[in-house]
Amino acid sequence: DIQMTQSPSSLSASVGDRVTITCQASQDISNYLNWYQQKPGKAPKLLIYDASNLETGVPSRFSGSGSGTDFTFTISSLQPEDFATYYCQQYDILPITFGQGTRLEIK
Amino acid sequence: EVQLEESGGGVVQPGGSLRLSCAASGFTFASFAMTWVRQAPGKGLEWVSSISGSDDITYYADSVKGRFTISRDNSKNMVYLQMNSLRAEDTATYYCAKDTNVIVPNWFDPWGQGTQVTVSS
Repeated sequence: DIQMTQSPSSLSASVGDRVTITCQASQDISNYLNWYQQKPGKAPKLLIYDASNLETGVPSRFSGSGSGTDFTFTISSLQPEDFATYYCQQYDILPITFGQGTRLEIK
Repeated sequence: EVQLEESGGGVVQPGGSLRLSCAASGFTFASFAMTWVRQAPGKGLEWVSSISGSDDITYYADSVKGRFTISRDNSKNMVYLQMNSLRAEDTATYYCAKDTNVIVPNWFDPWGQGTQVTVSS
């Protein structure tokens, strides 16, 4: 199975900060990498697909980049509603696997 | 508007069975694969199973293979997860999600609100 390792596991930041989360795959997954946001008690929400494509309706402060084994997810200017847990997910090879999540908290 | 609504969760004893259902609306159901993802309490997301739009291809995580069966009824816009030989480690919120591909799972959007499954004696 492909292991997805997110870093950091948790992060404290302030409104207006620029935040970056990384996701590393245990093998080359090309650009078959997605990012989700999950708020407490809610279902995950797709933000980015194929490493860098913004899902329709998602604010442009969210972005993604990378290919191969190393990927980055960035929030350019944190808003109060962005405090949540973020997951990466690969779909290059089954089984589909998720990163362990990055919890973004208010500083 | 695409909507997914899960049902069928509950408390079951180890070794027991449950059947989860997911009612879909707002899209051409047979044109998309469907997926179940679970989340144990306080833990991350785990892919469980997917089924192609035409119902002829199924995929399972090793952790549930041989115990869980995914199926769909395209005439009713429903997807199901039959869970047998349940274990304590199957305790989780189970989410139904729409794929963007008809055959092979890739990304999931949207997700249902989830249904809770608790395996306990």
